[in-house]
Amino acid sequence: VQLQQSGPGLVKPSQTLSLTCAISGDSVSSNSAAWNWIRQSPAKGLEWLGRTYYRSKWYNDYAVSAKSRVTINPDTSKNQFSLQLISMTPEDTAVYYCVRVQTNCSGPRCFYYMDVWGKGTTVTVSS
Amino acid sequence: QSVLTQPPSASGTPGQRVTISCSGSNSNIGSNTVNWYHQLPGTAPQLLIYGTNQRPSGVPERFSGSKSGTSASLAIRGLQSEDEADYYCATWDDSLHGWVFGGGTKLTVL
Repeated sequence: VQLQQSGPGLVKPSQTLSLTCAISGDSVSSNSAAWNWIRQSPAKGLEWLGRTYYRSKWYNDYAVSAKSRVTINPDTSKNQFSLQLISMTPEDTAVYYCVRVQTNCSGPRCFYYMDVWGKGTTVTVSS
Repeated sequence: QSVLTQPPSASGTPGQRVTISCSGSNSNIGSNTVNWYHQLPGTAPQLLIYGTNQRPSGVPERFSGSKSGTSASLAIRGLQSEDEADYYCATWDDSLHGWVFGGGTKLTVL
């Protein structure tokens, strides 16, 4: 399984960041995976932004800190998912990763873990 | 400020045993299993331990994980120079309804 990220590395303050993550070797509609965006910066460390996943219907969850600004959408026709983050500020400067969270069930026990990461996109917010 | 607390640094000499702690609360570590990742400079984090104490295929047996109450630990025995990296703990938080991470521990092999 591989995740290929695409999107700009430079965004102006107040603009919207749009990133895409193309999936190969799995399906965005998988019933055993969730598709996440995580970012990493020296100031805030690793920070989960949100996820999309399919379990008979589509679900989305977003981090409380980003809920009003972030949207994550699946695209089944292209087997990919996207991140939109509005009203960017310099504090949003970070490396952005798309990540698969896998569900691994053995009998009654199920484990959830981030097992596949994109290479990361360095996003700088500056005018 | 990360939700989970890790020491910023740890060190050991080759062959030694090193442990890295991760402290949380009832809503995260106290209720869910813990995953550990290691990260080399300029690369994405890689899964090291899942389900608190399960090793993915390919991870050496000298890496092990444990949990007690609201704290978890990663132990590395037989330390090697290639183990020098940043280590992160992560788990689901039931109150925040999202994934939370530790601030990371930089492991130095002396």
